Amino acid sequence: GAVVSQHPSRVICKSGTSVKIECRSLDFQATTMFWYRQFPKQSLMLMATSNEGSKATYEQGVEKDKFLINHASLTLSTLTVTSAHPEDSSFYICSARPRLAGMPDTQYFGPGTRLTVL
Amino acid sequence: GQQVMQIPQYQHVQEGEDFTTYCNSSTTLSNIQWYKQRPGGHPVFLIQLVKSGEVKKQKRLTFQFGEAKKNSSLHITATQTTDVGTYFCAGRSSGGSNYKLTFGKGTLLTVNP
Repeated sequence: GAVVSQHPSRVICKSGTSVKIECRSLDFQATTMFWYRQFPKQSLMLMATSNEGSKATYEQGVEKDKFLINHASLTLSTLTVTSAHPEDSSFYICSARPRLAGMPDTQYFGPGTRLTVL
Repeated sequence: GQQVMQIPQYQHVQEGEDFTTYCNSSTTLSNIQWYKQRPGGHPVFLIQLVKSGEVKKQKRLTFQFGEAKKNSSLHITATQTTDVGTYFCAGRSSGGSNYKLTFGKGTLLTVNP
């Protein structure tokens, strides 16, 4: 149980285009979903927190107009990188916090999406 | 804001040797969680510690939460090549309804067979 999927797993795009990444909790409903960014050999940096039906809360320094987050349902959140540039190339990972009582109050991570902007 | 420091950054051991990574938070935590990320993979939840002074074991892994709930450690006994990866601690601040986790920088463990 507690599986989180991400799609796509890899994407290569041209500079200036927009890329949408989907994050789904497959076998549980998620109260909250989180979006992280991870550079090679570095830690996870939280970008934003999203709750279903409300606006995402962005961390300091993260441009909300560039990284659009839509939490459409209790099992789906999307991150759209708008007008992507090479410096946006990174590993983007989502996580989901279960809604059900009895499950550990932790985050379950998706497999990540590797974005390369040419 | 909250900071979580983790040391060492890298650790290389011979198979069979022990390994320990340490985490220290600038603020008191409501809980601390440990994750393992294999090379090329994503973080996988290992365990959560909640109580002051708590010690939990998973086979060869021993996790401790400090009495002040500001530090934690992960100890692996007799490492194996399958233990290779980066171990992250992640702390959740006490108080409020903030469910955010602050991750340490991780400790990359490599094991020489």
